[in-house]
Amino acid sequence: GENVEQHPSTLSVQEGDSAVIKCTYSDSASNYFPWYKQELGKGPQLIIDIRSNVGEKKDQRIAVTLNKTAKHFSLHITETQPEDSAVYFCAPDDSSYKLIFGSGTRLLVRP
Amino acid sequence: EAGVAQSPRYKIIEKRQSVAFWCNPISGHATLYWYQQILGQGPKLLIQFQNNGVVDDSQLPKDRFSAERLKGVDSTLKIQPAKLEDSAVYLCASSPRLLDTQYFGPGTRLTVL
Repeated sequence: GENVEQHPSTLSVQEGDSAVIKCTYSDSASNYFPWYKQELGKGPQLIIDIRSNVGEKKDQRIAVTLNKTAKHFSLHITETQPEDSAVYFCAPDDSSYKLIFGSGTRLLVRP
Repeated sequence: EAGVAQSPRYKIIEKRQSVAFWCNPISGHATLYWYQQILGQGPKLLIQFQNNGVVDDSQLPKDRFSAERLKGVDSTLKIQPAKLEDSAVYLCASSPRLLDTQYFGPGTRLTVL
């Protein structure tokens, strides 16, 4: 089955700095690569996703890059703000189209 | 547009008791998912419905967990009997169709004593 690893597990940055979270996966059949943000007491919320025919996608301060050959994709957040503080999950799909969530990265943005 | 609704938000029971969770997906969404999220981990899919049919229940512990989606709208997830290791947040999600973006509800936090 799909094996998903996320790094780092915790990340602390100063407000205004950039944050990068990396996700590696094992299933070469994966075609869908979303990132979810989960705030305390809430369900995960999709913030950006990419499909295997695209190498990079950007939405304002958030971007995702995909390297299918190396089987990893990354979340980039620029000009971080305190409200970006949350737990972020990558969740690539497996060969049966199920999302397999990583263990999460706790991001803290210091004001 | 209203989001995914779940109830109750919190539940505390003793081991060997039974518990049920309810989910109302976003109107018109054909696909419904139940996930289990243990503290400090990512969500894990338990069961997936397409309308009122089961698409995948390979990770559902069927000796104690059951789920149904009557009429292809609301869904209930039941645990009977509960074990200590069932303590987790149970998340419901829905999507318009298979392979579409999944929208999550706030979850039900279950504590088994």
